Amino acid sequence: AQRVTQPEKLLSVFKGAPVELKCNYSYSGSPELFWYVQYSRQRLQLLLRHISRESIKGFTADLNKGETSFHLKKPFAQEEDSAMYYCALSGRSGGYNKLIFGAGTRLAVHP
Amino acid sequence: NAGVTQTPKFQVLKTGQSMTLQCAQDMNHEYMSWYRQDPGMGLRLIHYSVGAGITDQGEVPNGYNVSRSTTEDFPLRLLSAAPSQTSVYFCASRNPGTDTQYFGPGTRLTVL
Repeated sequence: AQRVTQPEKLLSVFKGAPVELKCNYSYSGSPELFWYVQYSRQRLQLLLRHISRESIKGFTADLNKGETSFHLKKPFAQEEDSAMYYCALSGRSGGYNKLIFGAGTRLAVHP
Repeated sequence: NAGVTQTPKFQVLKTGQSMTLQCAQDMNHEYMSWYRQDPGMGLRLIHYSVGAGITDQGEVPNGYNVSRSTTEDFPLRLLSAAPSQTSVYFCASRNPGTDTQYFGPGTRLTVL
């Protein structure tokens, strides 16, 4: 079964501390994984995808197929990083790639 | 471009009432989807469409109907609202061959 697990509902850190938002997935095949972010009063938007191997707003995420994980990391958290973060898996169903979301982790960065 | 727009932003219904949540996109995207967002459950796919005249069910389709008469519009209908349908509803669109979903601002629905 295709599934995305985000074990933490809330992650609370102080400004300047490192951040790691955990994401584990279950998928038979080659997964395509994403992190989406929803800032307060804004719409959900793509943060980054594993195939591009890029760093966005200081965040990176590495796909670990052995551990079936795609954790999101940032070395020094900023207050503006406070938001809801969703890990998502692109799973094919016929010709359509459905996006399967985890339950989300709320990141709270305190001054 | 306005992107993906949704109306209304907020709605309160009584059990048994019907209503339609509107979604429109001006990016000429072929694919459109409806999700519901519930605490602790993430976003779950209700229905999706891969083009005008073509719709299919997602994970949680019961109690909802959709149609896609044009590329731009993808309304979601609640035929007989139930308290279990209290949620935030998001519409999204993208083109085939791309993975980036563009989301609307959401509709917060409360069913009493």
